[in-house]
Amino acid sequence: EPEVTQTPSHQVTQMGQEVILRCVPISNHLYFYWYRQILGQKVEFLVSFYNNEISEKSEIFDDQFSVERPDGSNFTLKIRSTKLEDSAMYFCASSLSSGNTIYFGEGSWLTVV
Amino acid sequence: EDQVTQSPEALRLQEGESSSLNCSYTVSGLRGLFWYRQDPGKGPEFLFTLYSAGEEKEKERLKATLTKKESFLHITAPKPEDSATYLCAVQANFGNEKLTFGTGTRLTIIP
Repeated sequence: EPEVTQTPSHQVTQMGQEVILRCVPISNHLYFYWYRQILGQKVEFLVSFYNNEISEKSEIFDDQFSVERPDGSNFTLKIRSTKLEDSAMYFCASSLSSGNTIYFGEGSWLTVV
Repeated sequence: EDQVTQSPEALRLQEGESSSLNCSYTVSGLRGLFWYRQDPGKGPEFLFTLYSAGEEKEKERLKATLTKKESFLHITAPKPEDSATYLCAVQANFGNEKLTFGTGTRLTIIP
């Protein structure tokens, strides 16, 4: 069964460092997303991406965050200067079309120290 | 603002003891209501999507139902492997892709 894959599974970084989280969405999907889940809290929407541009973003997704689809398969989330409060599980997700089922990856656990 | 409230927060059942999880929502025009299962340290695993009041979907021991204000996830004769956190999420309006999640119900099935 096709799946969303994410790397790394776990990353520890120093506060202020840049981090790039990588994702390979399901191959024929057109909509891509990043969500995050702080330990013990709900899953929160960060950004949606369609047709090579951001289609929607939350208040969390400020200027420190950026997304990119550098080639036909990868989808990345960059955090420019990490803060302690960025420590969370980051989930990549994808869907075939608008309103369709959204499938999630296993997540990248980011710890900022 | 879209809101999703799930209850109970945690539920412990004996194996074979059926029960229901509740998801209440407020949304400016429901596009879809999603149920996911999440195991510790893992990503949400898709279970069901419901689109309109009165709709029902089933998968093995799980059945999801939808009204205009809430959704129920019914678990019939659960097994220990059904232990997980069950997440409810809503997607609102056309052209709006984001999912708004509830905090989940942590289900434990005791053998």
